[in-house]
Amino acid sequence: EAGVTQSPTHLIKTRGQQATLRCSPISGHTSVYWYQQALGLGLQFLLWYDEGEERNRGNFPPRFSGRQFPNYSSELNVNALELEDSALYLCASSHGRQSETQYFGPGTRLLVL
Amino acid sequence: KQEVTQIPAALSVPEGENLVLNCSFTDSAIYNLQWFRQDPGKGLTSLLLIQSSQREQTSGRLNASLDKSSGRSTLYIAASQPGDSATYLCAVRPGNDMRFGAGTRLTVKP
Repeated sequence: EAGVTQSPTHLIKTRGQQATLRCSPISGHTSVYWYQQALGLGLQFLLWYDEGEERNRGNFPPRFSGRQFPNYSSELNVNALELEDSALYLCASSHGRQSETQYFGPGTRLLVL
Repeated sequence: KQEVTQIPAALSVPEGENLVLNCSFTDSAIYNLQWFRQDPGKGLTSLLLIQSSQREQTSGRLNASLDKSSGRSTLYIAASQPGDSATYLCAVRPGNDMRFGAGTRLTVKP
């Protein structure tokens, strides 16, 4: 069984540009979570999608947005990139119930110059 | 607001030692607690998940305990090996998200 996959593995952008990150969950999982791990900071919860709907978001500005497709894959979009958006972005998936384990992908490393 | 703290921030031990990593959280209203391992620049690998109704979980040389009422969890690693070197993160699930500690960076010296 394939795990959570993310693309691209690395992404380099300049300030003000937009970045799009992609995530494919484990087959059968309906929930996708996005997290940001910036240098020197812990993992911060960004967004949760389940059954195509945004269910919860963390304390991030609206320029962080995303969506979930009918096949449960997900995109994270970051508009008007700022230098401090440079981080490892991790995606996780689960069956959606709150007691379930989240399985993480390898991450996308975003560098904003 | 749920806050998760991990102590120590870093730990260096010789190979073969048994060790304990600590995690504390401020709000006992959680669905579960999970321990992860993260290698440098990589994603997270789930080690153990403890549901709120459970007291401990074991997997191989790893044993995790949960005391929800006191807001504490420990991860016990027996007979440590150099391959155990990584950052260990604990995370609690208070609701529809997960709150992570800052991690303990473990180095096991041959």
